[in-house]
This record gives sequence, C-alpha cells and structure tokens, in this order.
Amino acid sequence: EAQVTQNPRYLITVTGKKLTVTCSQNMNHEYMSWYRQDPGLGLRQIYYSMNVEVTDKGDVPEGYKVSRKEKRNFPLILESPSPNQTSLYFCASGGGAGQGWTGELFFGEGSRLTVL
Amino acid sequence: AQTVTQSQPEMSVQEAETVTLSCTYDTSENNYYLFWYKQPPSRQMILVIRQEAYKQQNATENRFSVNFQKAAKSFSLKISDSQLGDTAMYFCAFMKHTGNQFYFGTGTSLTVIP
Repeated sequence: EAQVTQNPRYLITVTGKKLTVTCSQNMNHEYMSWYRQDPGLGLRQIYYSMNVEVTDKGDVPEGYKVSRKEKRNFPLILESPSPNQTSLYFCASGGGAGQGWTGELFFGEGSRLTVL
Repeated sequence: AQTVTQSQPEMSVQEAETVTLSCTYDTSENNYYLFWYKQPPSRQMILVIRQEAYKQQNATENRFSVNFQKAAKSFSLKISDSQLGDTAMYFCAFMKHTGNQFYFGTGTSLTVIP
C-alpha cells in the first residue's frame, strides 16, 4: 500500500529536549516536505527536499532541521524545542520534477507535538 | 512570495445542496498549479482537485468542480449534491510550476447538515 508514515503520532515533551519526527514514503517520490498546522494559520511549509541531499527552507524553518540521506526518509529534527513549536506536523511526498509530477502531495497522518 | 487567502473560516450546507468555497491568491508567476485539499476529522489530508494555470478549462472531479479565474486570481471550489462525508476542513493551495514551495490558505471548515 502506497503511504507516508510518520512517527510518533503523538508526543509530549519538555522545552530543550531534542526530538526527531520520522517520515518515510514507499512511493519512490523525489519530493518530500514538512508542514505545521496551527489554528487560524493553515498549513505552513517548514522545509522541503527536491531529492537526496537537496533540502531548502520553506516559510517557517526557524528552530527546525532536516536531512535527506535516503530517498524514502525525511526526518524533522527539533534540536531545542520550545512551547511555540507545539503544533500538528505533517510530512508529505510527491513525484518530483523527474517524474512528470503535477503537484499532488501524499500526506502522512500527522504528528501532534506538545512542548511544555 | 505567494499568498493564498480563504475568507470563509466556516460554512455549512444542507445535505444534497450545492456549496461554493472561495479562494484567492496573489502571485507574479504565469505558470503554476492550484489545488484543493480536504482534511476530514481523521486529519488525513487528501487531494480533491487540481488545476493547471495554463489550462483555461475548469477542472472537474465527479461532484467537485472549480471556477478558475486567472486574471482575477480566484479559484473557488463547488461541491454539488453535498454528502455527510464532505464534512471537513478544505484548504486551497498554490505551487509554482518549478514545483518546490507550496502555499496553503487558512482553511474553510465545511459542515454538511443532514
């Protein structure tokens, strides 16, 4: 089954404790990206990756890191989480320029993160 | 930078009726893609419909259709014969033709009333 898998789905942590949200896709997609969803703000792009070892900032990258060492994985790293990073996070993937992609994104189920 | 605006935070419609969700956007690009995504209470985001800016014909997918007005930078979604399963948050989204950054609106929460 084609899917994007995020873990953990729910996490409560404390300020300053490093955490990683994993994202994996099994569709051989080139493009992967991370979003945060906040009430009244919609979805905002954090980082995206056009392919392995190619990452770039979205609209709200501060406080986040990513890496793309393998095509299927795109983890989101919060080195020192703060309460303003409490949010619902989504990972998404798409075909990419090399696959005639016209922009459809496949989303994970979301990760609810609370930073105390 | 691109911006996407959804001016209707909440809407409701009677089952079997038709509803239109509004979306406007701002860009200096000529080639781009526009999308409507649905987020039901389960939170799983799924694509409803896609429009390519260079195509003048409005996209349709079964009960879902769009009214794309490129000059006005407007991209509304019409849902015909509304069903209870259409209850969800709907997001309008923009992607440049180069396919890197996505821009989403703030969403419209649609409730279908039995």
